[in-house]
Amino acid sequence: GAGVSQSPSNKVTEKGKDVELRCDPISGHTALYWYRQSLGQGLEFLIYFQGNSAPDKSGLPSDRFSAERTGGSVSTLTIQRTQQEDSAVYLCASRPGRATYNSPLHFGNGTRLTVT
Amino acid sequence: GQQLNQSPQSMFIQEGEDVSMNCTSSSIFNTWLWYKQEPGEGPVLLIALYKAGELTSNGRLTAQFGITRKDSFLNISASIPSDVGIYFCAGPYGGSQGNLIFGKGTKLSVKP
Repeated sequence: GAGVSQSPSNKVTEKGKDVELRCDPISGHTALYWYRQSLGQGLEFLIYFQGNSAPDKSGLPSDRFSAERTGGSVSTLTIQRTQQEDSAVYLCASRPGRATYNSPLHFGNGTRLTVT
Repeated sequence: GQQLNQSPQSMFIQEGEDVSMNCTSSSIFNTWLWYKQEPGEGPVLLIALYKAGELTSNGRLTAQFGITRKDSFLNISASIPSDVGIYFCAGPYGGSQGNLIFGKGTKLSVKP
């Protein structure tokens, strides 16, 4: 498909386990973002990749969270030793350019993570 | 840091009514974006505003970039049931070029 693809769409995991969430951005999009959306909350910025530049990790809530983007395309968000407060919808977005005004974000449908 | 405050948090309206919501910032923005999120989906861009005072329409939606550059407004005229969703404002985040900060959203419910 032409859109941003995220997998899995739903993930239930036990507290303390590690999880990996995957994002396939739109082909050719150089910028990729991860956001977290907790129930009733807005979108909380986690991490931003732009081309080959060092990612902006300023939004990652703790060192249990990490993300990588291989080959400038697919990205994986990893949460280690999950906690119940990690339960949320994790949204990935991509766009073709750097400047906000030139190109809107295209979001995937998210991965709903539930930590029991 | 930068914050975006949206109001109201939620709205329950009758089909056919007009809707107004707004977003304020603690600092000046040079771009305002309005997104809509439907259940189970990611947000989709509705309107983008790039200049103070700008008024832009997209069908029944009209958004304005406030003169002070610290606020923006979104109006929906003659609401219909498919307008249901969460409306987010967003603007450039100061941390890194190209990043966006989002408000907490206004949840709209429309009664047929």
